[in-house]
Amino acid sequence: QVQLVESGGGVVQPGRSLRLSCVASGFAFRNYGMHWVRQSPDKGLEWVATILYDGSDEKYADSVRGRFTISRDNSKNTLFLQMNSVRVEDTAVYYCAKIYSIPPTPIDYWGQGTLVTVSS
Amino acid sequence: DIQMTQSPSNLSASVGDRVTITCRASQSISRWVAWYQQKPGKAPKFLIQKASSLETGVPSRFSGSGSGTEFTLTISSLQPDDFATYYCHQYHSYPWTFGRGTKVEIK
Repeated sequence: QVQLVESGGGVVQPGRSLRLSCVASGFAFRNYGMHWVRQSPDKGLEWVATILYDGSDEKYADSVRGRFTISRDNSKNTLFLQMNSVRVEDTAVYYCAKIYSIPPTPIDYWGQGTLVTVSS
Repeated sequence: DIQMTQSPSNLSASVGDRVTITCRASQSISRWVAWYQQKPGKAPKFLIQKASSLETGVPSRFSGSGSGTEFTLTISSLQPDDFATYYCHQYHSYPWTFGRGTKVEIK
């Protein structure tokens, strides 16, 4: 079955960097676009970024553009989110997510999430 | 950005009740709406895509409808396992956006 396992979360100071990873299994990772979505009590569910199945295109939310970078390694079935210059408002549970089918298509599977806390 | 206004934010209901949750988009999004169920400490679970297409394995008491700017999720007969928070989501255009959720609680 589909599994998405995130790691890399933790406590980080404002202005520092953090790299999240998501290892996928149970489906042909190289054939699917992937997303990062975060969730916090203040903002609810917030879409962060997406990357095309082959890594040839990326899109970002305005709130993270220029600070976060989404990438993938299809040889290792792994999705990444490089978070630079983090801010207090980036505090959230970060979910790695797989799309259902050929776009336009929503997310069908989500990982269990990894908590990022930005605090001095 | 397309705003998804979901109502009500909280709902108290009894087992067997019919429950309806509404989501209004700030502009027309055709039928590019999905619905998710989330329980505390868990990831969202995919229920419905393209406004009304039930995901495989989702009980038939769940249904979705709507197009353009008005969408609804209906649970025809609420079961104990259905007490959770429900979110609507538009994937018509980026940035993708979500409703703020409807928490369905036991009356």
